[in-house]
Amino acid sequence: AQSVTQLGSHVSVSEGALVLLRCNYSSSVPPYLFWYVQYPNQGLQLLLKYTTGATLVKGINGFEAEFKKSETSFHLTKPSAHMSDAAEYFCAVSNQAGTALIFGKGTTLSVSS
Amino acid sequence: ETGVTQTPRHLVMGMTNKKSLKCEQHLGHNAMYWYKQSAKKPLELMFVYSLEERVENNSVPSRFSPECPNSSHLFLHLHTLQPEDSALYLCASSQDSGLSYNEQFFGPGTRLTVL
Repeated sequence: AQSVTQLGSHVSVSEGALVLLRCNYSSSVPPYLFWYVQYPNQGLQLLLKYTTGATLVKGINGFEAEFKKSETSFHLTKPSAHMSDAAEYFCAVSNQAGTALIFGKGTTLSVSS
Repeated sequence: ETGVTQTPRHLVMGMTNKKSLKCEQHLGHNAMYWYKQSAKKPLELMFVYSLEERVENNSVPSRFSPECPNSSHLFLHLHTLQPEDSALYLCASSQDSGLSYNEQFFGPGTRLTVL
């Protein structure tokens, strides 16, 4: 069965610092992987997704993630944090039937000036 | 309206009340979803509809009753809820539920409080 583990429920960085949010997955089939962001009082917005092909995926707002099959990881990074990046971030994997997404518990990113 | 809209945004109800949540997608998608988001827990998939037919029902209590009259609208009818049902209820849509690489587009959610 598919599952997602996000390491660290809360990550704090300074403005301008590297952002690294960790995601490990378990999947019995080749995974489709997603990162979503949720700002306060809003729904989830897709940051990026991996389906097939290039393992380094670039998304919106300067975020990128690298699919590493050997490590079953799909960590999210951004070279330089901005105050507006403060939000909750969710990693997700598609279920085996392809009918839905399985989400991690989320990581809250705080950015200080 | 664009994207996925949900009404109401906030709802407070007693355990004996009956209420409904509404979701509408303006994206021409074929699949719609209900999720429950509780504090400190992963998003829980509740129901999936594809072309107005329910394709997934994740052991949701019968006090939650979904309805999908057409591919643009999705309802969640609520009755005799419990305080532990208080959560943010998110609606989403995607082009096709059977394509696992399809992006899901989310609405802003309805914040439900059960007293």
